[in-house]
Amino acid sequence: AQSVSQHNHHVILSEAASLELGCNYSYGGTVNLFWYVQYPGQHLQLLLKYFSGDPLVKGIKGFEAEFIKSKFSFNLRKPSVQWSDTAEYFCAVNYGNNRLAFGKGNQVVVIP
Amino acid sequence: DTAVSQTPKYLVTQMGNDKSIKCEQNLGHDTMYWYKQDSKKFLKIMFSYNNKELIINETVPNRFSPKSPDKAHLNLHINSLELGDSAVYFCASARGSYNEQFFGPGTRLTVL
Repeated sequence: AQSVSQHNHHVILSEAASLELGCNYSYGGTVNLFWYVQYPGQHLQLLLKYFSGDPLVKGIKGFEAEFIKSKFSFNLRKPSVQWSDTAEYFCAVNYGNNRLAFGKGNQVVVIP
Repeated sequence: DTAVSQTPKYLVTQMGNDKSIKCEQNLGHDTMYWYKQDSKKFLKIMFSYNNKELIINETVPNRFSPKSPDKAHLNLHINSLELGDSAVYFCASARGSYNEQFFGPGTRLTVL
């Protein structure tokens, strides 16, 4: 079955701390990988995506993610978070079957 | 200039009623989706249309019926609303089956 795992559902950290969110997916051949962010009360917005090429991808707002094929992982990182990064973060995998499989999300709270 | 729009933003109704949510995208995409986000923020695909044809129909009660009058619109009609239907419903669109999806602002449905 196609599944996406995100651990540590609730993350609380202080401003300027570094953030890393894990994402693992079940094997499914060629996949496209995404991280979406949902700020409180808002819709999902794309942070970054990986289709092919350099496995280290840069996204908006200082986020980056690394695709490690051997580990079926696509972890999200930000070296120094801000209060405005408080949001829900979703990893999503497109297995090419016209749907995105979402992880359960990470709720990140940044304390000023 | 809204890329994916939904109406209404909020919908409060009594059990047993029938209601519709409308979605429109002006991105020229050929594929549209409906997702349900539950109270734990878990996102689950409900339906997907490609060029007005239904291509994904997840295990959703047949009280839910999507309708796509054209490529730019995908509406969701719900009959005989139940308490468990309370959720946020997101519409999304994409170009093709592999690409990133763009999400609408969501419709928060509350069934009393």
